[in-house]
Amino acid sequence: SQQGEEDPQALSIQEGENATMNCSYKTSINNLQWYRQNSGRGLVHLILIRSNEREKHSGRLRVTLDTSKKSSSLLITASRAADTASYFCATDLKETSGSRLTFGEGTQLTVNP
Amino acid sequence: NAGVMQNPRHLVRRRGQEARLRCSPMKGHSHVYWYRQLPEEGLKFMVYLQKENIIDESGMPKERFSAEFPKEGPSILRIQQVVRGDSAAYFCASSELGATYGYTFGSGTRLTVV
Repeated sequence: SQQGEEDPQALSIQEGENATMNCSYKTSINNLQWYRQNSGRGLVHLILIRSNEREKHSGRLRVTLDTSKKSSSLLITASRAADTASYFCATDLKETSGSRLTFGEGTQLTVNP
Repeated sequence: NAGVMQNPRHLVRRRGQEARLRCSPMKGHSHVYWYRQLPEEGLKFMVYLQKENIIDESGMPKERFSAEFPKEGPSILRIQQVVRGDSAAYFCASSELGATYGYTFGSGTRLTVV
């Protein structure tokens, strides 16, 4: 399996509910980043969490990082139809530090009005 | 600030032709990255460049693919003798300080090989 695997692959919820997406990775990281991609568009950077941080907030987004389990979660609270998109985690691996980010396969989130 | 500009947005090539994809990074960004995305999949790293230098091309196929980021002008991803399997979305990203600090992505070029 690959670095940065998201779980679930697809998630469908109702407006107002919370959406939780998970990401697992295999080797040591400098940081982990979450991106959002609307259909047919480029990715947009959402939030970055460093390896020495455990939790970070940005508006309705909450990201956690557990380096002992090599996993991260992205929580979107009070979801809106406009949150419908694919969400990707990307890892800055120590072994490739600064050279590139490694992306997972993504979670497709659908928020129904 | 116009962001990362990629052109063309859509490109159709016949098998055997050359595809040339352009990327102008954000103003002030000297790090450029190219990724490929197949339908329903994540992004696969291809190459990392700085002005006039290829820093990491470990994700580039050994044949037919090349990239450059000249002193003047946009970064170019060139695919020679395209095949149907090259059909994908190609995204360029730029960064001011490197991947560790996050990317700004372009809208991508969707290449279709017929």
